[in-house]
Order: sequence, then structure tokens, then C-alpha cells
Amino acid sequence: GAVVSQHPSRVICKSGTSVKIECRSLDFQATTMFWYRQFPKKSLMLMATSNEGSKATYEQGVEKDKFLINHASLTLSTLTVTSAHPEDSSFYICSAHSGQGGTIYFGEGSWLTVV
Amino acid sequence: AQKVTQAQTEISVVEKEDVTLDCVYETRDTTYYLFWYKQPPSGELVFLIRRNSFDEQNEISGRYSWNFQKSTSSFNFTITASQVVDSAVYFCALNRARTGGFKTIFGAGTRLFVKA
Repeated sequence: GAVVSQHPSRVICKSGTSVKIECRSLDFQATTMFWYRQFPKKSLMLMATSNEGSKATYEQGVEKDKFLINHASLTLSTLTVTSAHPEDSSFYICSAHSGQGGTIYFGEGSWLTVV
Repeated sequence: AQKVTQAQTEISVVEKEDVTLDCVYETRDTTYYLFWYKQPPSGELVFLIRRNSFDEQNEISGRYSWNFQKSTSSFNFTITASQVVDSAVYFCALNRARTGGFKTIFGAGTRLFVKA
């Protein structure tokens, strides 16, 4: 079964609203989680590194005020897309590291459509 | 800098053909992990294999096999006797095996079409 769970798997929101995506590690504690974005027919691009109890580290070009990341516990990181626009429509996927031998688990991904 | 190159954008084969997906990587780290993932149309990433930089043994898992060659910085993936269900996008990825540096660098992906 899944060890990293994302919710929701699909979401449609109106322009200007905010939407939150959750990423949970189910069987382990993850001090670090990662958020990726994937445009259609493109590769996964790292958006930010989510650190438990501290501020996220954003990749160059990613607007930190638009993509708010909160990692309040060792099993949960959230990505909030604020004031969403149609160009934010994309597939968002998170990953977490189990801390043992470099095993990385990915969530199922979340399809965001902004209308 | 780390980089993963999958030069094949799309490959189309007929069922039962063998197909090899190429992956070339760049890294200055001496310790690192290489991965292959399958991404079906539903979007989730399906883990296929992980290989650390100190293990150059080739691996076979059913119809899947992987050829890791540090001398050429390649980690190629072969599907033997391909099936329609193998149709998907396949990503090769690289991850540093150092504490705090677990960003996964993905290749551009290779889209595989297997026709019946």
C-alpha cells in the first residue's frame, strides 16, 4: 500500500481562490518532504523542500508567496496555491524520504485545474 | 551540477519487441542513487528500481533489466517482450545520498508506446 498519501487527487477551483494539497507519510516520520510540479508531457520539476518545523526552501523561480508550504508535523506537509490562476493548473506531486538507505516515496499526485 | 539526460523523447514498438530506454547522468558525487520510475496516464509514479553508485551489478526483474555502467555514466533500462501495459512515461532519476541533499533530479522522460 501507499506509504505517502496525497489529498485531494483531483481538485477544480475558481480563479482567485486558494487550494490546499496535503502530503502525508503513513508509515514513517519524514523531516523533509519535497514538492514537485509537472506540466503536461514534461518532467517533474522540484518546487521546494519542506522542512519540519522550519521554513521551506524554494527553488529558483518559484514564488514562495504563491505556493505556501507548511510542514507542521513529521507526517504532514501542505502546499497551498494562493490566488490561483489558470496557469497554475498542473500535476503536483510530493515525496518523502524514509531516512533509511535513501528510499524515497512519492505520493499519488494531485491534479489541479483552475477555471 | 547534477543532470539526467533521457535523449529518447518517444519510442514506439510493437508488442513482444524488446526496447531499451537510455539514461545518462552527470554528478560530481561519489555516492549517489539512480532510479527508474514508470508513470502511467493516471499520473502516479511507480517505483521500478534503485541502484546505488557502488553497485554496478546488472539487475533483472521479470521482463525488466537494467544496465548500470559508471564508466559511461549510464543506467539503461530494457523491457523484454514488451506488452501494451508497458505503455507509459518512464523517468530516470538521480538523488544525492547525503544528509539534507535528497532532491531527486529527473530526466525529461521517455514516452513508450507499445502497439498490439
